[in-house]
Amino acid sequence: EAQVTQNPRYLITVTGKKLTVTCSQNMNHEYMSWYRQDPGLGLRQIYYSMNVEATDKGDVPEGYKVSRKEKRNFPLILESPSPNQTSLYFCASSLGAGYTEKLFFGSGTQLSVL
Amino acid sequence: QKEVEQNSGPLSVPEGAIASLNCTYSDRGSQSFFWYRQYSGKSPELIMSIYSNGDKEDGRFTAQLNKASQYVSLLIRDSQPSDSATYLCAVNGGSGGYQKVTFGTGTKLQVIP
Repeated sequence: EAQVTQNPRYLITVTGKKLTVTCSQNMNHEYMSWYRQDPGLGLRQIYYSMNVEATDKGDVPEGYKVSRKEKRNFPLILESPSPNQTSLYFCASSLGAGYTEKLFFGSGTQLSVL
Repeated sequence: QKEVEQNSGPLSVPEGAIASLNCTYSDRGSQSFFWYRQYSGKSPELIMSIYSNGDKEDGRFTAQLNKASQYVSLLIRDSQPSDSATYLCAVNGGSGGYQKVTFGTGTKLQVIP
């Protein structure tokens, strides 16, 4: 089954404790992206990747890191999480970054930073 | 001014009625327009895409695009309770390029049985 897999689904952590949210897709997609979703603010892009070893900042990259060492994986790293990073996170992928491309989303990760 | 604006709702319509969802965008160079549906606690899923001015129909859904007015809408005919969800408007191909997809905050639709 074609899918984007995110883990974990829920995560509670404390301020400053490094964490990684994993994202993997099995559709051989070139493009991958991370979003956070907050009430009243909608989905905001954190980072995106056009291909292996090609990543770039989205609208809200501060406090986040990503890597794209393999085409299928695009982990989101919070080196020192803070309470303002409490949010619902989505990983998404698409075949490419052309104007017709639809995004496939993972099931989301609800992160709480205490 | 937000890049992509939607009325947050909730928009309440009776079952069987037409639901009309609206979206405006600020980047005049935008090329691609999408409507995603998001059920509570779930991830967004694409329901419609439109790239040129006019109407595009798919079953009970019709997307309408007017680039001169920077306006895109989604009509849902014969609304069903299962259509109750948040609808996200998304735009790309503007000054940020096709790698930057910008979402509106979404309109919550409630279909009353």
